[in-house]
Amino acid sequence: SAVISQKPSRDICQRGTSLTIQCQVDSQVTMMFWYRQQPGQSLTLIATANQGSEATYESGFVIDKFPISRPNLTFSTLTVSNMSPEDSSIYLCSAGLAGGYNEQFFGPGTRLTVL
Amino acid sequence: GNSVTQMEGPVTLSEEAFLTINCTYTATGYPSLFWYVQYPGEGLQLLLKATKADDKGSNKGFEATYRKETTSFHLEKGSVQVSDSAVYFCALTATGGTSYGKLTFGQGTILTVHP
Repeated sequence: SAVISQKPSRDICQRGTSLTIQCQVDSQVTMMFWYRQQPGQSLTLIATANQGSEATYESGFVIDKFPISRPNLTFSTLTVSNMSPEDSSIYLCSAGLAGGYNEQFFGPGTRLTVL
Repeated sequence: GNSVTQMEGPVTLSEEAFLTINCTYTATGYPSLFWYVQYPGEGLQLLLKATKADDKGSNKGFEATYRKETTSFHLEKGSVQVSDSAVYFCALTATGGTSYGKLTFGQGTILTVHP
């Protein structure tokens, strides 16, 4: 298994600003992902964080709005840029070993409120 | 594409009642299936998983059987407790193709258990 930590756990931000969320895994993993959970909703995949290369974004999400870095096998960041109140959500990082049989482990999430 | 459909909620039960949360899926190939649980204010925890047809996943008294013929993975528990109150998500990962390793979630079912 893997233990995942995220920072910050929550934040309140002003519109137009940016926030960078950090995700740290306690062991080397192959796959890392970022999800968004809007209030009262399910989880939606934002992107796959690829080590040493550009992230792979899902439909509806773009790099300019959600730049992602993954400099090594245990760390990734997600930036929410030029925020608006519609970006208020919980952002979750997940990690897993290669192979679709293996479960993904989730961080505790970052609760973001944009005023 | 892949999709997961959960029974509409919320579900409210008395302690020691029997629980069923229905989950059906659409996927190409042979996905792996999961149930995740989200307790209030927390991230997601893996509850159980099944990786092939007729597999039964179980944990903490919860069970679910991978039924390929009905494309279902219903969650059951014989006697719920107040501490089981949470949001339950059914999910799948594709084991090949462009969706490899990515989780697709159902909409979530809110369970409330009263003493």
